[in-house]
Amino acid sequence: DVKVTQSSRYLVKRTGEKVFLECVQDMDHENMFWYRQDPGLGLRLIYFSYDVKMKEKGDIPEGYSVSREKKERFSLILESASTNQTSMYLCASSLPTGGFAEAFFGQGTRLTVV
Amino acid sequence: DQQVKQNSPSLSVQEGRISILNCDYTNSMFDYFLWYKKYPAEGPTFLISISSIKDKNEDGRFTVFLNKSAKHLSLHIVPSQPGDSAVYFCAARSDTGTASKLTFGTGTRLQVTL
Repeated sequence: DVKVTQSSRYLVKRTGEKVFLECVQDMDHENMFWYRQDPGLGLRLIYFSYDVKMKEKGDIPEGYSVSREKKERFSLILESASTNQTSMYLCASSLPTGGFAEAFFGQGTRLTVV
Repeated sequence: DQQVKQNSPSLSVQEGRISILNCDYTNSMFDYFLWYKKYPAEGPTFLISISSIKDKNEDGRFTVFLNKSAKHLSLHIVPSQPGDSAVYFCAARSDTGTASKLTFGTGTRLQVTL
């Protein structure tokens, strides 16, 4: 059974804090992604990674950075959390181009910045 | 610029009837289209996909139709069941050259009533 695990289901952080969201997958997938989901906006891609130490910006990378030191782990970093980063964050993984199209998602992290 | 659009934020259907969810896209380079289902406080789960070279794919109660000339796809669920009540996201895959990524629509909330 495929598994993408996000370290926290719920987080509450203060404005200005540095926040780390962790994601681990056990499917040996090359690609990993971070999305955020907001009402009326759907899922928007923040960053993705296609290999260890490799990353690309998605559609809304401002205020975020990522780290991928091991194939199975992909971290999203909020350098200085702001209230407009309150959202549901979703991690996903998939095979590389040419493989199955679907991405597998974690259960999500509901982040509240106060 | 929203490349994948779901123009109906919500849909209510009676149990046993057909549910039709619609999606439009603008990018001709998308090579796969997918539907995901999402329950509250959970990550999206993959439902069904279709290659851009096909016009129909069926899996049990779920059928996806693709009209490339109109840049339109639809998901048909028949018969609809109460457990189908969820938010449905349309997604489209594109190849960035280094990885394939999914672009999502804004979602349609389906409610199946008794």
